[in-house]
Amino acid sequence: GDSVTQMEGPVTLSEEAFLTINCTYTATGYPSLFWYVQYPGEGLQLLLKATKADDKGSNKGFEATYRKETTSFHLEKGSVQVSDSAVYFCALRRETGTASKLTFGTGTRLQVTL
Amino acid sequence: DADVTQTPRNRITKTGKRIMLECSQTKGHDRMYWYRQDPGLGLQLIYYSFDVKDINKGEISDGYSVSRQAQAKFSLSLESAIPNQTALYFCATSDYYTDTQYFGPGTRLTVL
Repeated sequence: GDSVTQMEGPVTLSEEAFLTINCTYTATGYPSLFWYVQYPGEGLQLLLKATKADDKGSNKGFEATYRKETTSFHLEKGSVQVSDSAVYFCALRRETGTASKLTFGTGTRLQVTL
Repeated sequence: DADVTQTPRNRITKTGKRIMLECSQTKGHDRMYWYRQDPGLGLQLIYYSFDVKDINKGEISDGYSVSRQAQAKFSLSLESAIPNQTALYFCATSDYYTDTQYFGPGTRLTVL
């Protein structure tokens, strides 16, 4: 079945450091890929998405490129801020007829310090 | 006002009690979902509904039931709560065209 694997957290960085959170997936066909962010005490918010190979999703300085050859969708940001501290979830959506469901990774907690 | 609301936000109950969690949305979406989040795990799909007359089981539906009372309302029930149903529960909605899911703030349920 479909699965998403994320790097273990927590990830602790100093402000302005470069961020990479690894995400790889297993799925048949051509899934769409997503990154969601969950701030403390809140629900998940869509951060970015990519719907086909080589697409780059970007938002709020975050980027991720859909790499079909390596089945990866790594999240990057050039300079993190304290306000980026949150849990980040990678997810895939595989279309099967009218069914369209998300499969989530386990989440990676990011803590950014001054 | 939030587009997807969940009530209650926190609930503590006892084993064997019946519990209902409610979700309402003002986004006009036809698709609604219930997820469960456990510490250190991703979200697992409990039930989903693509319109008022369509209800489908997700990965972990045992012990849960749902009701889609209207396009904007989707309730999750635990008929007889047990301690391993202690978790954070999220409702989500999406529309047919973009199918991007939007999440509510979550309900933290504790079963003693």
